Amino acid sequence: NAGVTQTPKFQVLKTGQSMTLQCAQDMNHNSMYWYRQDPGMGLRLIYYSASEGTTDKGEVPNGYNVSRLNKREFSLRLESAAPSQTSVYFCASSEDPGAARSYNSPLHFGNGTRLTVT
Amino acid sequence: AQSVAQPEDQVNVAEGNPLTVKCTYSVSGNPYLFWYVQYPNRGLQFLLKYITGDNLVKGSYGFEAEFNKSQTSFHLKKPSALVSDSALYFCAGRGYQKVTFGTGTKLQVIP
Repeated sequence: NAGVTQTPKFQVLKTGQSMTLQCAQDMNHNSMYWYRQDPGMGLRLIYYSASEGTTDKGEVPNGYNVSRLNKREFSLRLESAAPSQTSVYFCASSEDPGAARSYNSPLHFGNGTRLTVT
Repeated sequence: AQSVAQPEDQVNVAEGNPLTVKCTYSVSGNPYLFWYVQYPNRGLQFLLKYITGDNLVKGSYGFEAEFNKSQTSFHLKKPSALVSDSALYFCAGRGYQKVTFGTGTKLQVIP
């Protein structure tokens, strides 16, 4: 099983350029997430999608857009990159808590995209 | 609202000694708590989760976690550290549709 696959692994952008980070999971999970990881700040949620066709803002959504293309894929777009968006980006997925509201399902992470904006 | 805190940026321990990585939480209602490990240039990997009623939870690679409701803590432990355990460890709490992570603790196991 591939699990969660992210592309690209590395990217360098100039300020103002745009790009899309791709994420796909093969575990039939409903919920998908985008996080950014910065030194000393842990992981911060950018956007999440509880199911196909729905997306919601997380802690740090400014400067980003997302698309839940289908159940498998959840992409993150930077329309006009800024140096403050230099970070490592992680996509994750998890089972849907469901009607029982049981939140014991762990997140499954991709290996990340290391983005540098100059 | 929920939050988790990891008070130590780094923990150093000699190989073969027991290790503890600390986590405290603040949640309303039942806590849903997890530990993850991150190796260099990799994503986070699930280690273990709190199961309601179990004060000692066992997970992958010989790790376990001790839940203490009165101290609102969920500390990660291992009886005998290995050099290969050196990594970044994250505590996390899960609520409705969201997961909140601590800032991470770097574990260095010294040969």
